[in-house]
Amino acid sequence: QKEVEQDPGPLSVPEGAIVSLNCTYSNSAFQYFMWYRQYSRKGPELLMYTYSSGNKEDGRFTAQVDKSSKYISLFIRDSQPSDSATYLCAMEESFQKLVFGTGTRLLVSP
Amino acid sequence: NAGVTQTPKFQVLKTGQSMTLQCAQDMNHNSMYWYRQDPGMGLRLIYYSASEGTTDKGEVPNGYNVSRLNKREFSLRLESAAPSQTSVYFCASQVSGANVLTFGAGSRLTVL
Repeated sequence: QKEVEQDPGPLSVPEGAIVSLNCTYSNSAFQYFMWYRQYSRKGPELLMYTYSSGNKEDGRFTAQVDKSSKYISLFIRDSQPSDSATYLCAMEESFQKLVFGTGTRLLVSP
Repeated sequence: NAGVTQTPKFQVLKTGQSMTLQCAQDMNHNSMYWYRQDPGMGLRLIYYSASEGTTDKGEVPNGYNVSRLNKREFSLRLESAAPSQTSVYFCASQVSGANVLTFGAGSRLTVL
């Protein structure tokens, strides 16, 4: 079993939809949770960062962590075609031990 | 600022050839990383350098060597390339005490 599981998609939605992206994990020691966005043929870029459980909102994006269920989510409101990318979850027990999910490919159609 | 710069962007090698991927960052970050990204496997850590003068193995170090030339530069060497090393390679850097990685644009390597 992988430490971090993420549905590879693709997830196809119409413009304006609410998108929910999810990851599950097995290591209860993970404390830091991140979402990276990766456009085609580009490097990943940090989108959201949370520490421990709870919600964090940044514009149209909300990151949610449920440590009791070992489950993290990224919600995108009013999705745009420019949101079409691969979304990678990542989590860390301590510095320099980052574990990535395989990524979910999101396609937002106009 | 350029951030993290990787060269070359594309490379085709024959089995057994050697090559070095170069990475440089201009953000004065202490830590640098090399990852490979394969379909269905996600990003996997090859080697990292917590600071100038130190390097450590990651999850998949076999077949690779690294050099932290100075604070700015971290190179990845394939001594005898194998088809299993066909992948997209990403260099990343990180400021000390933070969890955030800044990635380069990637180097696409094909080994025939």
